[in-house]
Amino acid sequence: QSALTQPASVSGSPGQSITISCTGTRSDIGGYSYVSWYQQHPGKAPKLIIHDVRNRPSGVSNRFSGSKSGNTASLTISGLQAEDEAHYHCASYSYATGSSPSVVFGGGTKLTVL
Amino acid sequence: EVQLVESGGGLVQPGRSLRLSCSASGFTFGDHAMSWVRQAPGKGLEWLGFIRNRDYRGTPEYAASVKGRFSILRDESKSVAYLQMDSLKSDDTAVYYCTRGDNTSWSTIFDYWGQGIVVTVSS
Repeated sequence: QSALTQPASVSGSPGQSITISCTGTRSDIGGYSYVSWYQQHPGKAPKLIIHDVRNRPSGVSNRFSGSKSGNTASLTISGLQAEDEAHYHCASYSYATGSSPSVVFGGGTKLTVL
Repeated sequence: EVQLVESGGGLVQPGRSLRLSCSASGFTFGDHAMSWVRQAPGKGLEWLGFIRNRDYRGTPEYAASVKGRFSILRDESKSVAYLQMDSLKSDDTAVYYCTRGDNTSWSTIFDYWGQGIVVTVSS
């Protein structure tokens, strides 16, 4: 069981917008602004698309945006395109009193473009 | 162009050891932390740990699930990061990725990834 909770799957039609949630606790998402998102196509390595909650690396489409509210981070993809069909993983810095710091991932969400 | 190339994977028996290498090019290796992430078949990603850059003396941090069994090292002269895996279990079967981190004291951004290498632990 992953430390962060993501929906197993989401879907949308071309041109629409979708949002993928990533829920954690005060010890990870809620306590720090170190949330990142990764896109992974089948058989490929993950690719960083959002870091530090809402920052896009150079070269990543502005159709991808990130946000956070309380213990939940969200990835929104606008103007869905066929090439967006992939798995999406969230990650966060995690530190709770009595434990060692770490990085935790969500279980991943399969995005299907209908 | 940033490139990370993993090597050293394959089939290994339970209880044995394996060392993965990650050869880096296209950037100043010493400026960046290096992390390892794995993905078991059909599962999500799992952070294993990272080793800081030279500004932070190259000290490592590990996930609780592998602490004591896995070690992360780096050779600045060769621009290579290593993942030493001991006492391997069947649950360690996964694709292992080497990733580039940032230059902070606690690397939480994985901005470049290797192609991944398969490790299968089975008798």
